[in-house]
Amino acid sequence: EVQLVQSGAEVKKPGESLKISCRASGYSFSSYWIGWVRQMPGKGLEWMGIIYPGDSDTRYSPSFQGQVTISTDKSISTAYLQWSNLKASDTAMYYCVRASTIRGDPFDSWGQGTLVTVSS
Amino acid sequence: QSALTQPASVSGSPGQSITISCTGTSNDVGGYNLVSWYQQHPDKAPKLIIYDVSKRPSGISNRFSGSKSGNTASLTISGLQTEDEADYYCCSYVGSIWVFGGGTKLTVL
Repeated sequence: EVQLVQSGAEVKKPGESLKISCRASGYSFSSYWIGWVRQMPGKGLEWMGIIYPGDSDTRYSPSFQGQVTISTDKSISTAYLQWSNLKASDTAMYYCVRASTIRGDPFDSWGQGTLVTVSS
Repeated sequence: QSALTQPASVSGSPGQSITISCTGTSNDVGGYNLVSWYQQHPDKAPKLIIYDVSKRPSGISNRFSGSKSGNTASLTISGLQTEDEADYYCCSYVGSIWVFGGGTKLTVL
């Protein structure tokens, strides 16, 4: 069974850094793309970016380019989403997702979500 | 890349059919047969229900169907059931990136 298990909720202050994780199991981690989707409180889904663990090829939405960093650790089948300077507007639920290819395949598996709260 | 346009809300009675539209441009919805739909119940992660415009993943009821005409994709739910009450999001491939619609809240009266 394919599973994406995300790290727990985080409460941070503006200006702090943060790295959340998504651990994959039940399939070959290096052979599928892993992406991240943001959902701000009471709002819709926003695609942030995606990475191919096999060669670390990474694509970002223009809206998130330079604002976050996506990475992976193949040795532990885990993907990461990282901020270096959190803002209150980063408060949201973040989901990791899996896609077979970069050529438009759907997000067939979703993590349970990680709630990030940024408040002074 | 702007979000795709969906109606904010739709409603229907049990047993009826409803359709949710998703309008984009020739650069996204109209340019690729790579539209997917996701269902999200409150406080739950979204779930894939339609991909490649009209295909259903294994285990998804055939009451859910998808189609596309020009720059507009549509999700139809037939034989509405109370458990269909949820938020629905369309998503289109845009050449190595993806864009979601704003979401539609379905109320089953």
